[in-house]
Amino acid sequence: GENVEQHPSTLSVQEGDSAVIKCTYSDSASNYFPWYKQELGKGPQLIIDIRSNVGEKKDQRIAVTLNKTAKHFSLHITETQPEDSAVYFCASRTGNTDKLIFGTGTRLQVFP
Amino acid sequence: EPEVTQTPSHQVTQMGQEVILRCVPISNHLYFYWYRQILGQKVEFLVSFYNNEISEKSEIFDDQFSVERPDGSNFTLKIRSTKLEDSAMYFCASSVREGNTIYFGEGSWLTVV
Repeated sequence: GENVEQHPSTLSVQEGDSAVIKCTYSDSASNYFPWYKQELGKGPQLIIDIRSNVGEKKDQRIAVTLNKTAKHFSLHITETQPEDSAVYFCASRTGNTDKLIFGTGTRLQVFP
Repeated sequence: EPEVTQTPSHQVTQMGQEVILRCVPISNHLYFYWYRQILGQKVEFLVSFYNNEISEKSEIFDDQFSVERPDGSNFTLKIRSTKLEDSAMYFCASSVREGNTIYFGEGSWLTVV
């Protein structure tokens, strides 16, 4: 079935450094790839998304890249701040379904 | 900014009891979803709902689960006879149309004892 692998499971960085989280999807028909940030006790909050007709998208300190051939997509956070600390989930969706398949999550800790 | 709201935020129930979790999706959204997250695990799809009927459901969404939009604003998830393994955070979500961004609520934490 459809699957999304996410790495690493935990990531610790110093404030100001960059953080990269990588996901791999199994269904080549996947065409939409959102990233969600989840703070403790709260719901997933969309931070950026990308569709399969685009290779890269940037929003201030956050960027997402997509390699359709390799079925990889990555989240890049530059100039990290302590408030970036949270669990980040990648997800994918295919064109013939409306459900999101989530990755296993990455706990990002940014140390001051 | 419009948001998906859920009640209750936390419910403790005895095994075998019925539970109803409530959600108010974003007002102009037409597609509604329930997802769940067992503690420390990833978010899993349960069901999607459009035009007053289920459009898709996962294997988790068995006969013990049902969804309803009783009054045009609320969207509910009912678990008929709760089991210990139903303990999880349940997220309601909505989107304007199929294929659009899905927005999640803050979740309802269900503990079955």
